[in-house]
Amino acid sequence: DQQVKQNSPSLSVQEGRISILNCDYTNSMFDYFLWYKKYPAEGPTFLISISSIKDKNEDGRFTVFLNKSAKHLSLHIVPSQPGDSAVYFCAASAMGNDMRFGAGTRLTVKP
Amino acid sequence: DAGVIQSPRHEVTEMGQEVTLRCKPISGHDYLFWYRQTMMRGLELLIYFNNNVPIDDSGMPEDRFSAKMPNASFSTLKIQPSEPRDSAVYFCASSPQGASWNEKLFFGSGTQLSVL
Repeated sequence: DQQVKQNSPSLSVQEGRISILNCDYTNSMFDYFLWYKKYPAEGPTFLISISSIKDKNEDGRFTVFLNKSAKHLSLHIVPSQPGDSAVYFCAASAMGNDMRFGAGTRLTVKP
Repeated sequence: DAGVIQSPRHEVTEMGQEVTLRCKPISGHDYLFWYRQTMMRGLELLIYFNNNVPIDDSGMPEDRFSAKMPNASFSTLKIQPSEPRDSAVYFCASSPQGASWNEKLFFGSGTQLSVL
């Protein structure tokens, strides 16, 4: 049962443009959401997070938006850089320590 | 800190053989997680431990899978007998008690398992 869904397996954008990665969830008990970034042959690393009491969190070029009514969150990267090319995982947790991940979206930023 | 250490990095085995994956968490971390990454399902949580005690193993796919954490610095994930559909990347992650969310999970580099 996939509680966290990333419906786009891949995304390609031009350097300097905005990248928008989307994520949907089904469990209304989720209260914390995170994005992880994964390079080939490495483990995922934490990128940015948002609590359910907020609708936006910004960290440099990265912004996460949360729409609780739609059970949807998105990650915006502006401007996109070639070094951002990686697989991005959306994750969510419900008042606990286990974290559920989506299937990932492979972002390619072309020079 | 060396981070979460997993071994082996790659494992190729034949169907029916026993496979053991190993993980050393970051020293001082109280939580240890095993995840499996596949193309179809992404990162699936298999099991997690708190202070060496299994808390939730509902993600373990079958009885062929078992995990142990005999002490705070070591955990194993065993598959016996292995099947081709077990082929995936297996990640171990750890986190400290009461961590802030940006410290929640530290992943190892994973073990690429291929069952022929």
